[in-house]
Amino acid sequence: AQSVTQLDSQVPVFEEAPVELRCNYSSSVSVYLFWYVQYPNQGLQLLLKYLSGSTLVKGINGFEAEFNKSQTSFHLRKPSVHISDTAEYFCAVNSGGYQKVTFGTGTKLQVIP
Amino acid sequence: NAGVMQNPRHLVRRRGQEARLRCSPMKGHSHVYWYRQLPEEGLKFMVYLQKENIIDESGMPKERFSAEFPKEGPSILRIQQVVRGDSAAYFCASSPGQGLTDTQYFGPGTRLTVL
Repeated sequence: AQSVTQLDSQVPVFEEAPVELRCNYSSSVSVYLFWYVQYPNQGLQLLLKYLSGSTLVKGINGFEAEFNKSQTSFHLRKPSVHISDTAEYFCAVNSGGYQKVTFGTGTKLQVIP
Repeated sequence: NAGVMQNPRHLVRRRGQEARLRCSPMKGHSHVYWYRQLPEEGLKFMVYLQKENIIDESGMPKERFSAEFPKEGPSILRIQQVVRGDSAAYFCASSPGQGLTDTQYFGPGTRLTVL
């Protein structure tokens, strides 16, 4: 079985400050990890994904995430946030035989001007 | 290349009515997934379909819910005799293959409100 934990339901941060959104996963087999962003009243958009190789993954909009196998984490980071980054962010894991993706409960990032 | 399309975007039903949600996958994608997002919760997997086949429906409620993906036309998620607890956002995603490296692309969702 696979699961994802996003401990922070809301993260307020001032504009141009750095941010880290935490994600921990559990799985008994190799995993593929994803971060999605959801803007209000819209669907999910893929930010980045880890499949294999380098543990530091760069995505769109200046986001990056680091896969840490020993800590079973895949935290999302951005060195300087913008107002437009205000959205909900979902971490997801897939370790099944096909794309049965399990999502975390989401973290709402609120960028304060 | 148009993205995943879902309609309607908003759907209001009274208790006991039927709800039909449609999903047109991206061109060239033959794999469709349905997810439900309850208020303040993450997305929960419901069902995975390929053309004319249900591959995994382990996330579907046992009663009142059904899904299809016919050879021609969109995928349909059907909810019979809706109840207030069915109020949620329903998202469809599609992918070109079933491999773990194939990205799922999401539609904008259908927000169902049951009065």
